[in-house]
Amino acid sequence: AQSVTQLGSHVSVSEGALVLLRCNYSSSVPPYLFWYVQYPNQGLQLLLKYTSAATLVKGINGFEAEFKKSETSFHLTKPSAHMSDAAEYFCAVSDLYSSASKIIFGSGTRLSIRP
Amino acid sequence: SQTIHQWPATLVQPVGSPLSLECTVEGTSNPNLYWYRQAAGRGLQLLFYSVGIGQISSEVPQNLSASRPQDRQFILSSKKLLLSDSGFYLCAWSPGPSYSEQYFGPGTRLTVT
Repeated sequence: AQSVTQLGSHVSVSEGALVLLRCNYSSSVPPYLFWYVQYPNQGLQLLLKYTSAATLVKGINGFEAEFKKSETSFHLTKPSAHMSDAAEYFCAVSDLYSSASKIIFGSGTRLSIRP
Repeated sequence: SQTIHQWPATLVQPVGSPLSLECTVEGTSNPNLYWYRQAAGRGLQLLFYSVGIGQISSEVPQNLSASRPQDRQFILSSKKLLLSDSGFYLCAWSPGPSYSEQYFGPGTRLTVT
């Protein structure tokens, strides 16, 4: 069965510092992977997706993620944190055994930005 | 472009009362539709999904039900709410085929008192 594990339920960085949110996946076949962001009291917004075209995926708001098969990882990074990046971030993987485009979500990482 | 709507945005209901949450999608046809619940401080739980009109799959047994009376309309219902039904309810759609990303609505905050 496929799954994703997000390391760290809460990450705090200073404004201007590197943001690194960790995600590891488990899948017996090449996965499709996603990162979503959720601001307070809002729905989830797709940041980026990996569909095997390129290992480095660029998303919105300056975020990017690198697919590393050898490490089964798909970590999310941003070179310089901004106050507006404070939110909950979810890593997710396509359920390849579903014909209904189901997605399996990680438990989320709350990102806080210190002034 | 496609948009997804949910209403109401917030709802406060007493225990034992009925529930109806509505979700509609514009700008696409035959989408896959999903209902999720997010309890306070917790992750996403998939409740129901639908691949077509009248086709509903349930992920978790509970006192909620879902219906899809029209291609782009998805309704979440309950006959009698429980305190444990409180949470943030999210509707999502995907264009298919398999492995597609999902796009989320703004959510409904439900508080059962």
